[in-house]
Amino acid sequence: AIQLTQSPSSLSASVGDRVTITCRASQGISSALAWYQQKPGKPPKFLIYDVSNLESGVPSRFSGSGSGTDFTLTISSLQPEDFATYYCQQFNNFQLTFGGGTKVEIK
Amino acid sequence: QVQLQESGPGLVKPSETLSLTCNVSGYSISSGYYWGWIRQFPGKGLEWIGNIYHSGRTHYSPSLKSRVTISVDTSKNQFSLRLTSVTAADTAVFYCVRLNGFCSSGNCYYYHFYGLDVWGQGTTVTVSS
Repeated sequence: AIQLTQSPSSLSASVGDRVTITCRASQGISSALAWYQQKPGKPPKFLIYDVSNLESGVPSRFSGSGSGTDFTLTISSLQPEDFATYYCQQFNNFQLTFGGGTKVEIK
Repeated sequence: QVQLQESGPGLVKPSETLSLTCNVSGYSISSGYYWGWIRQFPGKGLEWIGNIYHSGRTHYSPSLKSRVTISVDTSKNQFSLRLTSVTAADTAVFYCVRLNGFCSSGNCYYYHFYGLDVWGQGTTVTVSS
């Protein structure tokens, strides 16, 4: 199974900061790479699909990029509502795996 | 608006079978999409359990395949999860999800996946005697 490794596992940042989260796959994957945001006590929220496409309603400060084995989620200007845990996830031959998560905390 | 709602016992004894149902509203399962189950261990990450199509075609996590069965009841517009021989390590929040995407072949042998765009609120299942 394809493993996804996220880094860092946690980070502290201030409102207005640019934040980048990395997701590395154990082998090359197709474009079926998605990102989610989760807040305590809530299910994950779908943010990005096909590496770089924003789900409807997701603010444009979120962006995704990458190919092959290395992918990134960037928040261009961190807002108070963005403090949460972020997960990458891939789909390959009907098998899904998630990254371990990156917790974005207030500095 | 599509909504998913999990239901089932919140407490299961070790060695017994965990059974959950996901009721889908606002969309007919028979119309398409794959549907699935995800679990989240306390304070930790997310684990995929398996998927099902309205035809009954299933895919399971290799680590759980021997203990998992996912089924669909299109007449009730719901799908279900059975996990046998549970232990304390199976204690988690269980989510049902919709796998947004489209079939790129007639029998849906190939599926272009977008993401898990609809999630249930989750149900906590504790395995304890």
